[in-house]
Amino acid sequence: QQQVKQSPQSLIVQKGGISIINCAYENTAFDYFPWYQQFPGKGPALLIAIRPDVSEKKEGRFTISFNKSAKQFSLHIMDSQPGDSATYFCAASSREKLTFGTGTRLTIIP
Amino acid sequence: DAMVIQNPRYQVTQFGKPVTLSCSQTLNHNVMYWYQQKSSQAPKLLFHYYDKDFNNEADTPDNFQSRRPNTSFCFLDIRSPGLGDAAMYLCATSLQKINQPQHFGDGTRLSIL
Repeated sequence: QQQVKQSPQSLIVQKGGISIINCAYENTAFDYFPWYQQFPGKGPALLIAIRPDVSEKKEGRFTISFNKSAKQFSLHIMDSQPGDSATYFCAASSREKLTFGTGTRLTIIP
Repeated sequence: DAMVIQNPRYQVTQFGKPVTLSCSQTLNHNVMYWYQQKSSQAPKLLFHYYDKDFNNEADTPDNFQSRRPNTSFCFLDIRSPGLGDAAMYLCATSLQKINQPQHFGDGTRLSIL
């Protein structure tokens, strides 16, 4: 019940396209949902986060959509750029522990 | 810039030889975490400190220990590293325990010979 399922495992998107990564959870006690971006050889960096009292949050080209009843949330990257190529982790937090999804390796091709 | 700094970036040790990884932070955050991340996997929480209170994950091997001598520094000690302990070790901090963003360092990549 502590798992966060993330898909797809890898994703290739053309430059300028929309990248979509999906996550699903079971534990209804989760109440904070961050997304992290990780480049090779670097630590994860917080990209954007949402709490379950809102259905959408947008920061620049990055949008989180949250569906509380379906226990799903997704990351949309608009106008994807080669610099967005990285591994993305969704995560969910209940009290003091952060549970990560399995990660999506995103590649943006010219 | 306020940040989380891990030293060294790369560490090579021999099978069974104790090793210590260090983390420092200038964010003045109360919570410090240690994660283990293996290739193409998500970070796995080993333990965390809330101030001086130590919290060990149930499945963290006894081989792994941690020290936090003050707010700014935290150490990860691996007493007898095995080949399976080769990984990236990430330190992170957050202001409080609950539902706060975690700020990660760039990690120490540990190799075991």
